[in-house]
Amino acid sequence: AQSVSQHNHHVILSEAASLELGCNYSYGGTVNLFWYVQYPGQHLQLLLKYFSGDPLVKGIKGFEAEFIKSKFSFNLRKPSVQWSDTAEYFCAVNEPNTGGFKTIFGAGTRLFVKA
Amino acid sequence: NAGVTQTPKFRILKIGQSMTLQCTQDMNHNYMYWYRQDPGMGLKLIYYSVGAGITDKGEVPNGYNVSRSTTEDFPLRLELAAPSQTSVYFCASSYSAQTMNTEAFFGQGTRLTVV
Repeated sequence: AQSVSQHNHHVILSEAASLELGCNYSYGGTVNLFWYVQYPGQHLQLLLKYFSGDPLVKGIKGFEAEFIKSKFSFNLRKPSVQWSDTAEYFCAVNEPNTGGFKTIFGAGTRLFVKA
Repeated sequence: NAGVTQTPKFRILKIGQSMTLQCTQDMNHNYMYWYRQDPGMGLKLIYYSVGAGITDKGEVPNGYNVSRSTTEDFPLRLELAAPSQTSVYFCASSYSAQTMNTEAFFGQGTRLTVV
């Protein structure tokens, strides 16, 4: 079965520090990849997505992610975090060519940015 | 722009009680989903629907039922509430999996406590 692994459950950074959150998935076929963000008390929102083409994807608020097919990875990065980036981040994958449609989520990474 | 609307936002149930979580979307999306979010576990898919009249089980369907009589509505039913169903429930919707725009749009969530 498809699975998504996020390596860090909790990350604490100071403002202006660089961020990289790891994400690996298990399926070897064609996949769509996503990062969602959940700010405190809010619902999940899409941060960025990858379907095809350039493996370096840029999203909102200065976030980017790189799809490395050989490593089954889709790591999220931001050069300089802000206090307002404090949130929980979820990596997700779905398989566009399956008969059903299921998006599988990772367990999430809680990021706390110190002002 | 209502998007995905869930009600209620909070609910406390006693063991054995039943309730329905309501979900409606105004984006004319074919696909709708119910997830539960437990701390450290990410989101688990309970049920999903690919269109009116069609539903299917996700990863954790036991103890729940759904129906999809219209494109807009996808209620989740708990028949005999158990403490293990204490969680935060999210409804989501997306375009057809046959398109490239498969990102999910989430509701605000329902925090359910079973005591």
